[in-house]
Amino acid sequence: DQQVKQNSPSLSVQEGRISILNCDYTNSMFDYFLWYKKYPAEGPTFLISISSIKDKNEDGRFTVFLNKSAKHLSLHIVPSQPGDSAVYFCAASLFGNEKLTFGTGTRLTIIP
Amino acid sequence: KAGVTQTPRYLIKTRGQQVTLSCSPISGHRSVSWYQQTPGQGLQFLFEYFSETQRNKGNFPGRFSGRQFSNSRSEMNVSTLELGDSALYLCASSEQPLNTEAFFGQGTRLTVV
Repeated sequence: DQQVKQNSPSLSVQEGRISILNCDYTNSMFDYFLWYKKYPAEGPTFLISISSIKDKNEDGRFTVFLNKSAKHLSLHIVPSQPGDSAVYFCAASLFGNEKLTFGTGTRLTIIP
Repeated sequence: KAGVTQTPRYLIKTRGQQVTLSCSPISGHRSVSWYQQTPGQGLQFLFEYFSETQRNKGNFPGRFSGRQFSNSRSEMNVSTLELGDSALYLCASSEQPLNTEAFFGQGTRLTVV
């Protein structure tokens, strides 16, 4: 049972435009969400996170939005740059529980 | 500050063998988690250790085990290897068990033939 879902396995975006990556979850007890970025042959690197008490968190070009009623979060990258081409994973956790539940990832390709 | 170090980077084993993977967390981090990444399955949680104690375990068979040493280094062992165990095994460390920001190593690519 996939509790965290990323329904788009891949996404292509023109350089300079906005990239929007989506993530849905089924467990309403999740209260902390994270986005990781992964290049080939490297481990995932932390990008940005959001607690369930917020609906938006921004860090530079990256903004994460959380819609708790829809059990949906999204990552916006503006403007998109070629170095953003990677696989993006969303993850969720229960406060006090160390386990991260990951989605299957979305491969983002930025077209120059 | 050195990052999370996993050894070896690549490993080829035959079915039925056992394997031990090693993870050295970031200095000062006491929590170490292990994940398995396979195509189409994303990253799946194996187990998590804090202060030498396993605090959480994922849905993997008993062939998968781990331990953590007093210096926070961790090892993961897989016995009686199966072809389906071929995957990228990732280790993540954090200061505290709450995974508000876990730092990952580069992983060990295990191929079972």
